[in-house]
Amino acid sequence: AQSVTQPDIHITVSEGASLELRCNYSYGATPYLFWYVQSPGQGLQLLLKYFSGDTLVQGIKGFEAEFKRSQSSFNLRKPSVHWSDAAEYFCAVGAIRGSTLGRLYFGRGTQLTVWP
Amino acid sequence: DAGVTQSPTHLIKTRGQHVTLRCSPISGHKSVSWYQQVLGQGPQFIFQYYEKEERGRGNFPDRFSARQFPNYSSELNVNALLLGDSALYLCASSLRLAGGEQFFGPGTRLTVL
Repeated sequence: AQSVTQPDIHITVSEGASLELRCNYSYGATPYLFWYVQSPGQGLQLLLKYFSGDTLVQGIKGFEAEFKRSQSSFNLRKPSVHWSDAAEYFCAVGAIRGSTLGRLYFGRGTQLTVWP
Repeated sequence: DAGVTQSPTHLIKTRGQHVTLRCSPISGHKSVSWYQQVLGQGPQFIFQYYEKEERGRGNFPDRFSARQFPNYSSELNVNALLLGDSALYLCASSLRLAGGEQFFGPGTRLTVL
């Protein structure tokens, strides 16, 4: 069965510092991979996605993520964090075939706090 | 272009009642999915409808049902509400059944007292 692990529940960084949010997944093949961001009381906004091809993907707001097949990981990075990046971040996988095609499986999220 | 819209924004119900949540997808999108997000957790898949047919159902009891209309809007119905149904209910739309980006609405916050 598909599953997503985000090992860090809460991360605090200073503004201007670099950021890396971890995501590991379990799936029988290479799934579709996503990072979403959620501000308080809001829906989810897609930051970036990986379907195939180049394993380093660029997203919005200066975020990037790297797919590592050998580690079943899809970590999110940003070189310099801004105070407005404070939010909750969710990693998700999407099935590429089978009875679960079309649905997304989410991790429990990582809450990012940014200190000024 | 308008994004995914959901109504109502907030809802308070008591145990045993019934609730209907509504979702309008982005124009041209034929797939609508519903997710439940309990406080402190990631969203959990409930249903997916594509071209007005149910194409997937998550691990939720039969009290949960949904449908998709000819204009691709969708309703999620929950009967016999329990305290544990309190959550943010998110609707997502996409062009295709799978392999495409899912665009999320702002959600409906349901509180069951």
